[in-house]
Amino acid sequence: ETGVTQTPRHLVMGMTNKKSLKCEQHLGHNAMYWYKQSAKKPLELMFVYNFKEQTENNSVPSRFSPECPNSSHLFLHLHTLQPEDSALYLCASSHRQSATFGNEQFFGPGTRLTVL
Amino acid sequence: SQQGEEDPQALSIQEGENATMNCSYKTSINNLQWYRQNSGRGLVHLILIRSNEREKHSGRLRVTLDTSKKSSSLLITASRAADTASYFCATDGETSGSRLTFGEGTQLTVNP
Repeated sequence: ETGVTQTPRHLVMGMTNKKSLKCEQHLGHNAMYWYKQSAKKPLELMFVYNFKEQTENNSVPSRFSPECPNSSHLFLHLHTLQPEDSALYLCASSHRQSATFGNEQFFGPGTRLTVL
Repeated sequence: SQQGEEDPQALSIQEGENATMNCSYKTSINNLQWYRQNSGRGLVHLILIRSNEREKHSGRLRVTLDTSKKSSSLLITASRAADTASYFCATDGETSGSRLTFGEGTQLTVNP
């Protein structure tokens, strides 16, 4: 195990539902990330948080809303999603990039999301 | 923007053989990393090579970096069926902070 957990592991939701994905890291890291992985496409960075502050929003639609209450927890709130949002959503954490740590990222197992 | 691009997209070999995967990128980097992903799971960090390094070893893994050609290779020696997975390179640039840019990956299949 990498020290990063994600729940739920699988989620099926309708387009009118509201759901949340949860990520927790036990590694003492201060940066956390949400990625989207769709079939046959590179990993897409969605959001970056450093010390609980959002430092990057990679032009993600507002139907995805991140929340980072502390350095160990990260949420992704979902509402009125579209079928094309079906994908594997991966959470990762790292030390903030430095010459010492080199920004190695630790990934959770992902949430397989299906939007009907 | 920079992007890692792996080559080949898919590779099938027999157990015991060596597997070589390549990665190219477009802009200057601080570090290049290789990750592995088993089907439907999260990525696992394998190895990091800094821009001032040319070669690095970790167990059966050997990574090279050629910054003049903006390319890297990952060699897995004496492959095993358990090495079957997707392999991704990821780069971070001098101005990208904590952001990593991933390639599309190479799907490696090791046949027993």
